[in-house]
Amino acid sequence: NAGVMQNPRHLVRRRGQEARLRCSPMKGHSHVYWYRQLPEEGLKFMVYLQKENIIDESGMPKERFSAEFPKEGPSILRIQQVVRGDSAAYFCASSPTDYPGAGEKLFFGSGTQLSVL
Amino acid sequence: KQEVTQIPAALSVPEGENLVLNCSFTDSAIYNLQWFRQDPGKGLTSLLLIQSSQREQTSGRLNASLDKSSGRSTLYIAASQPGDSATYLCAVSGNTGKLIFGQGTTLQVKP
Repeated sequence: NAGVMQNPRHLVRRRGQEARLRCSPMKGHSHVYWYRQLPEEGLKFMVYLQKENIIDESGMPKERFSAEFPKEGPSILRIQQVVRGDSAAYFCASSPTDYPGAGEKLFFGSGTQLSVL
Repeated sequence: KQEVTQIPAALSVPEGENLVLNCSFTDSAIYNLQWFRQDPGKGLTSLLLIQSSQREQTSGRLNASLDKSSGRSTLYIAASQPGDSATYLCAVSGNTGKLIFGQGTTLQVKP
């Protein structure tokens, strides 16, 4: 059973371009979370999605950022018109149930390192 | 607003030492607390999860305790090894799947 898969591992964009980060949860997992780790800062929650639904997007910047988790395919975190301050490691995590109600652990991917030139 | 603090920020010990990492949180209304390990350039590996009703969890040389009323958790590593060198993160969750992370403790175990 493969773990949480994120791609690409490294993404370089110039200011103003779009960045698309992909996350394939573990098999059987229908809950996906995105976190961001800025340089010298801790991990910060961004968004929680279930299939075709955004459950909690309280950590998402109001502009330029969006996320989706379609019925088929990976979850996508999209950043439009990137700026240098978007440079960070973006991590995806998945769980099989309504974490933490069932006490399930979150399983994290290896992350995508976004560098904005 | 929940805040999680980890002390110390960095720790360097000789191989074989037992050590304790500390985590504190400001809001005791948590569902669970989880300890993670992060290696450079890699993702997070979950080490231990403690439900709010539990006091401790053990896995091999690792033991994590939780005192919800005082807002504290400790991760105890016995007989440390160079392979334990990594950043250790503490995270708490409320009534959603959202995790609030501490800044981490970077551990170096010297051979």
